[in-house]
Amino acid sequence: SQQGEEDPQALSIQEGENATMNCSYKTSINNLQWYRQNSGRGLVHLILIRSNEREKHSGRLRVTLDTSKKSSSLLITASRAADTASYFCATDSNTGNQFYFGTGTSLTVIP
Amino acid sequence: GAGVSQSPSNKVTEKGKDVELRCDPISGHTALYWYRQSLGQGLEFLIYFQGNSAPDKSGLPSDRFSAERTGGSVSTLTIQRTQQEDSAVYLCASSQILGAGEQYFGPGTRLTVT
Repeated sequence: SQQGEEDPQALSIQEGENATMNCSYKTSINNLQWYRQNSGRGLVHLILIRSNEREKHSGRLRVTLDTSKKSSSLLITASRAADTASYFCATDSNTGNQFYFGTGTSLTVIP
Repeated sequence: GAGVSQSPSNKVTEKGKDVELRCDPISGHTALYWYRQSLGQGLEFLIYFQGNSAPDKSGLPSDRFSAERTGGSVSTLTIQRTQQEDSAVYLCASSQILGAGEQYFGPGTRLTVT
C-alpha cells in the first residue's frame, strides 16, 4: 500500500505554540498534499508540494518534503484554537490518478 | 456550483437494503473521486472518474458497490444489500483535471446501516 502515515496520531498544544506533524509514505510520488478536516466531514486543501520541491510556505503553514526519506512535515506556526482539526497527508499513485490518504493527526489547540 | 454537494447528508438504512448516494461536483471539473471514511480512520480511496469513465474499479470494496457518472457531472454511488460494515462517511471530491492536485471535497454522506 502507498498509504501515508501521519505522526503523531494526536497532538495537544497551547495556543501560540507551533505544531509539527509528519507524514511518511512508501513509493515514489508526483506530489504530496496536506488537508484539514473539521468534525469528520469534508476536507479542505491546505497546500501541495511537488516532488521536485523541498519546502513550501503558505501563511502560517510550512511544508517540507524529503523524497529520499519518503517523508514530509507540516508546521503550523503561532497556532490558534481554530486550528483544532485533523490533518491528513495525501500522496498520488504512480499514474497520478489515485490519491492515498493517511490516518491523520488529530490536533487540539488549547486556548 | 459554488462547491461540491452531496446528498443525502445522513442516511440510516436497514441491513440488506440498497442505498444510492449522490455527488454534484463543481461545474467544469472533469475528475471526480469517491472515498470512504470509517469512524476515526483515514480516507479509503474507492473510485475515480475522468469524465464519465471509471477506468479502474479495483478500489471498490466488493461487487455490491457500483458507481456511475452521467453527463460529466453528477455521480451516484450505489451500495446493494447493505451490511453493517458499510457504515461510514462517504466523501466525494472533484478536481479540474485528473491528477492535477487539489481536490475539492463535499461535506459527505454519513451512512448508518442498522
